[in-house]
Amino acid sequence: DTAVSQTPKYLVTQMGNDKSIKCEQNLGHDTMYWYKQDSKKFLKIMFSYNNKELIINETVPNRFSPKSPDKAHLNLHINSLELGDSAVYFCASSRYLGTGQETQYFGPGTRLLVL
Amino acid sequence: KQEVTQIPAALSVPEGENLVLNCSFTDSAIYNLQWFRQDPGKGLTSLLLIQSSQREQTSGRLNASLDKSSGRSTLYIAASQPGDSATYLCAVSFSGAGSYQLTFGKGTKLSVIP
Repeated sequence: DTAVSQTPKYLVTQMGNDKSIKCEQNLGHDTMYWYKQDSKKFLKIMFSYNNKELIINETVPNRFSPKSPDKAHLNLHINSLELGDSAVYFCASSRYLGTGQETQYFGPGTRLLVL
Repeated sequence: KQEVTQIPAALSVPEGENLVLNCSFTDSAIYNLQWFRQDPGKGLTSLLLIQSSQREQTSGRLNASLDKSSGRSTLYIAASQPGDSATYLCAVSFSGAGSYQLTFGKGTKLSVIP
């Protein structure tokens, strides 16, 4: 049973295109995240949603737009793709406890290559 | 600026050795510190979570310690095995950012040689 799943696993596209990455979790969590891991393997938070509401919105270009249709899904849409968007994008989820006990569970990643 | 640093960037040890991975962070006001493992081409797997009020956590051959006052954590791996080869990431939830927001180090790539 896959806890956090992402589709597609690989995405190769041309500069200027628009693409979406989907994420689903079956853990019953109420908080979901998108992270970007660049070519130097540095992992950085992009967005987080709690109960379908945006709670973290780091400094990312507004070409990136997250959408959460329900608590189990958090999709990432990217407009006008640029070469620098090439990276691995990870989705994660957790319960929101506010106690410091929130373990995050990660998906397998989506490897995006912009040509 | 709140940052997490991991040293060394890479480590190679023979099978059976005990080893220590280091993590340092810039602000002692934290909710928790977590250690993750990342295998090549895969996602992250949570290994241990230490809450701010705790000093250490243990799981099997893994032991993680936390010293908030010095801004340090160590991950101790006993009797290392080739299957332990992976990148180990330290992540901190700083108090000013919300208990759910993690700041990651760049990781230590561990190779255990048979």
